[in-house]
Amino acid sequence: EDQVTQSPEALRLQEGESSSLNCSYTVSGLRGLFWYRQDPGKGPEFLFTLYSAGEEKEKERLKATLTKKESFLHITAPKPEDSATYLCAVQGTDSSYKLIFGSGTRLLVRP
Amino acid sequence: GAVVSQHPSWVICKSGTSVKIECRSLDFQATTMFWYRQFPKQSLMLMATSNEGSKATYEQGVEKDKFLINHASLTLSTLTVTSAHPEDSSFYICSARTTSGKGPEQYFGPGTRLTVT
Repeated sequence: EDQVTQSPEALRLQEGESSSLNCSYTVSGLRGLFWYRQDPGKGPEFLFTLYSAGEEKEKERLKATLTKKESFLHITAPKPEDSATYLCAVQGTDSSYKLIFGSGTRLLVRP
Repeated sequence: GAVVSQHPSWVICKSGTSVKIECRSLDFQATTMFWYRQFPKQSLMLMATSNEGSKATYEQGVEKDKFLINHASLTLSTLTVTSAHPEDSSFYICSARTTSGKGPEQYFGPGTRLTVT
């Protein structure tokens, strides 16, 4: 059964304090791994798609990496506006294209 | 690009009534749309997959007669919660899959907050 586990559940950082969020996954065949950002009361905002082990993508202070078992979302010198819940999801190679989500990491960046 | 809208953004209804939520892809065609529900401080749970012109595929445990899904066009899918009860109160989010980009990304709507009194 496809499964996604995110850690930590919650993370508090001081502004400028870099850290990483983890997403461990098991899937029979990986079509893609997705990172989303979700603010309270809103829908998820697409950040990255990673397709194969060794792939890396960057956007502003965020960098996502992928191995065969896990993905990391590195946040460099975070700002208070980076506070949100970060969701990881995997999509298998079956024909459904559905996403299996992890439970998310709630990030709070204090000024 | 890849904007998805939902309407209404919030709705309050009385127990026993039905509520329809619309999901539209504004600047792309979506052959597949997905409906999720999310409880407070929990992740998204997929309810059903909706393909244009065909019946929706429901996830295990989701009552298809209660949550009616229609995907009549390439830009519109609707979710109707029939005979709503307080336990149906939740945040409902749709997503649409675009094949216009390099990969099978899904883009999400802003969500609809349903409160059943």
